[in-house]
Amino acid sequence: RKEVEQDPGPFNVPEGATVAFNCTYSNSASQSFFWYRQDCRKEPKLLMSVYSSGNEDGRFTAQLNRASQYISLLIRDSKLSDSATYLCVVRRYQTGANNLFFGTGTRLTVIP
Amino acid sequence: DAGVTQSPTHLIKTRGQQVTLRCSPKSGHDTVSWYQQALGQGPQFIFQYYEEEERQRGNFPDRFSGHQFPNYSSELNVNALLLGDSALYLCASSSWSDTQYFGPGTRLTVL
Repeated sequence: RKEVEQDPGPFNVPEGATVAFNCTYSNSASQSFFWYRQDCRKEPKLLMSVYSSGNEDGRFTAQLNRASQYISLLIRDSKLSDSATYLCVVRRYQTGANNLFFGTGTRLTVIP
Repeated sequence: DAGVTQSPTHLIKTRGQQVTLRCSPKSGHDTVSWYQQALGQGPQFIFQYYEEEERQRGNFPDRFSGHQFPNYSSELNVNALLLGDSALYLCASSSWSDTQYFGPGTRLTVL
């Protein structure tokens, strides 16, 4: 079973729409959770960390449910510039190192 | 303040050859992790270096090896290249357990 699973999409939404991405993780020892954004042929960049209490950054809201091992990202009022691949990431300490485990990514295209 | 840098940006090799990729971490970071990202996939962890030692290794064969230098920069070496090694190789630096910041990557094509 993959460490992190997410729907690869693609999601094609009109400008102004609200879109939600979900992912699940398999290892309950995972300690930290993130959403990264990756533009085509570029490196991943941290979008936001995810906390159990839920956290918001402008139009972006992230939520973590540790009991269900489920992470979500909500984007409100989608902009053309939001078009990218969104990677669900968990961090887990493993014998001397903190490793990141990535999902396959969910591709979002915002249409004019 | 320069971020994470990697060289070269692109590389074309043939099967059986060897390749060395280089990474300079962000200023103040002492930990370097390497990832392989195949087309359409998320990055996969190769290994992590801290204090010039390999601290953890992902599910990659011994053909993949690395090194970290006293200035915290790092190299990734891949021997006996296979077609399946074609990918974007990403280096990420951090301050131990802090957020990892990625470099622009090296795109390796094996023919």
